[in-house]
Amino acid sequence: DAKTTQPPSMDCAEGRAANLPCNHSTISGNEYVYWYRQIHSQGPQYIIHGLKNNETNEMASLIITEDRKSSTLILPHATLRDTAVYYCIVRPGSNFGNEKLTFGTGTRLTIIP
Amino acid sequence: EAGVTQFPSHSVIEKGQTVTLRCDPISGHDNLYWYRRVMGKEIKFLLHFVKESKQDESGMPNNRFLAERTGGTYSTLKVQPAELEDSGVYFCASSPATGRRGSATGELFFGEGSRLTVL
Repeated sequence: DAKTTQPPSMDCAEGRAANLPCNHSTISGNEYVYWYRQIHSQGPQYIIHGLKNNETNEMASLIITEDRKSSTLILPHATLRDTAVYYCIVRPGSNFGNEKLTFGTGTRLTIIP
Repeated sequence: EAGVTQFPSHSVIEKGQTVTLRCDPISGHDNLYWYRRVMGKEIKFLLHFVKESKQDESGMPNNRFLAERTGGTYSTLKVQPAELEDSGVYFCASSPATGRRGSATGELFFGEGSRLTVL
């Protein structure tokens, strides 16, 4: 699986949009970008995923660059409960049913009141 | 719908003892995974069951670890004998079978984890 690079930490003011970047310059054509987060003392939680088009769901938006070498997870109105470690994961889409996720170190996002 | 549940939430044992962790996946999920995070390290894949069969156990650290999923429902992960470096949080996750509703996202549903402390 392609390697991802994320900043180790970020702060964001409550109520503002949190933009979390991820570099995945070695991503291949059939690999998807996934985002998970881990809130303290809980298990990882799926947020969103995409292949090449921008995606939006009730939790977040995912913007993937045209060359697919980087992406940004956007939490539109961050709340204190969004404080967590956010993981950007790249994995092949051809083997759904074998979710051997490779977690990196992620970005520790702190929402400031 | 109940989520993935894990027992115990925290276990403290002495080096050399045995511990068994249990995971109940979401009902109907054929795929069951074990991951763990040891102190200061990243979350690492351990193994993957499809129903009762081990699909991939490439992440199991050594033969002190034994995972089972009898009947394709709940799973246990036994550590025998436990060593200090086994301390960490063990996560279980499940997902539907490929092609089933909800499987198209490739989403894993994680439990809260079982924290293991080996003294």
